[in-house]
Amino acid sequence: GENVEQHPSTLSVQEGDSAVIKCTYSDSASNYFPWYKQELGKGPQLIIDIRSNVGEKKDQRIAVTLNKTAKHFSLHITETQPEDSAVYFCAASKGNSNSGYALNFGKGTSLLVTP
Amino acid sequence: ETGVTQSPTHLIKTRGQQVTLRCSSQSGHNTVSWYQQALGQGPQFIFQYYREEENGRGNFPPRFSGLQFPNYSSELNVNALELDDSALYLCASSFSGKYNEQFFGPGTRLTVL
Repeated sequence: GENVEQHPSTLSVQEGDSAVIKCTYSDSASNYFPWYKQELGKGPQLIIDIRSNVGEKKDQRIAVTLNKTAKHFSLHITETQPEDSAVYFCAASKGNSNSGYALNFGKGTSLLVTP
Repeated sequence: ETGVTQSPTHLIKTRGQQVTLRCSSQSGHNTVSWYQQALGQGPQFIFQYYREEENGRGNFPPRFSGLQFPNYSSELNVNALELDDSALYLCASSFSGKYNEQFFGPGTRLTVL
């Protein structure tokens, strides 16, 4: 099955700096790569996603890049703010009826933004 | 637009008991997926329901079962609870045209003693 690895497991940055989280996946059939933010006591919140026919996507301070050849994708957060502090998860999905469009998650990155 | 809701928020059960968790999907969504999130881990896919039928299943034993109702709400049932079933159970809804794009509820925290 699909194996998603995520690094680093913890990341501490100063307010205003950039944060980068990287993920690799194993199944070349995966074609959808979402990123979720999970705050304490809450469910994961979809913040950005990218499909395999796109190499980069940006939404304000957040961007995601995808390298299909190397099977890795990254989340970039610029001008970080204390409210960006949370656990971030990457996921990969190959979206077919056999797998039920399951999302396969990484183990998460705990991001701390200090003022 | 109403988001995904889950009930109850917390639940304590003893080993061997059975539990039912409930989920109401986001308005306009017709597909529901269930995930188990152990402490400090990423969510793991249990199964997905579309048109009231199971539409894919992860690596979970048959004692994990589900239902989807005509209004697209869903239930997760777990029989013969084990200590390792203690986790946050997350429900995610999506629209059949975009199966992958899943929106999560706040989860139900299950503790098995």
